[in-house]
Amino acid sequence: QPVLIQPPSSSASPGDSARLTCTLPRNNNVGDYNIYWYQQRAGSPLRYLLYYYSDSDKGHGSGVPSRFSGSKDASANAGILLISGLQSEDEADYYCMIWPSNAVVFGGGTKLTVL
Amino acid sequence: QVQLVESGGGLVKAGGSLRLSCAASGFTFRDFYMSWIRQPPGKGPEWVSYIGRSGTDIHYAGSVKGRFTISRDDAKSSLYLQMNSLRADDTAVYYCARPADNNGGSHFDFWGQGILVTVSS
Repeated sequence: QPVLIQPPSSSASPGDSARLTCTLPRNNNVGDYNIYWYQQRAGSPLRYLLYYYSDSDKGHGSGVPSRFSGSKDASANAGILLISGLQSEDEADYYCMIWPSNAVVFGGGTKLTVL
Repeated sequence: QVQLVESGGGLVKAGGSLRLSCAASGFTFRDFYMSWIRQPPGKGPEWVSYIGRSGTDIHYAGSVKGRFTISRDDAKSSLYLQMNSLRADDTAVYYCARPADNNGGSHFDFWGQGILVTVSS
């Protein structure tokens, strides 16, 4: 199973943007996968945010604001979650996920602090 | 509406066994893959196992392979996880989850409330 690497923490100010990364090992091409993103606020279950495969193949979860968006950085072999116009309620843990053929893999998560 | 309700968790000694159940409602259970996902206290989620339609296409995380067995009873709309040879690092909240796509391979759009399994060493 591939290991998805996420920075353990990130911080930004209200109104700013946050760019969270999810890096795949080099033998797993990010271009081959849907990258799924979840949000988990303290004491709450995971909430599905969105997935990104390409600009023509992406989708948002129900009720997820458009200021959450996904992309990929092929040079870094990483999936990206961009949160624009940060709000205090965005302070949470964020997890990426992929579903290779015979497994499901979650990243270790990034704790986003909105200062 | 879709509901997933886990049961069967609790405190068990290392080396012991537990059987988790997940009662599903609000959708045609037999048409969907189903999965177990766990989250240790203070840590991120970890996929445990999934099972395809009709009980085929079963896969496990390496950490539980050979110790845990996933199964389903479509007549009862229920998912199960038999956990044997439990270890302290199996301590977690266990979630029953349904992928959005009935072929699997998608995000999990519905989750149970979770059930705590605590393994004492």
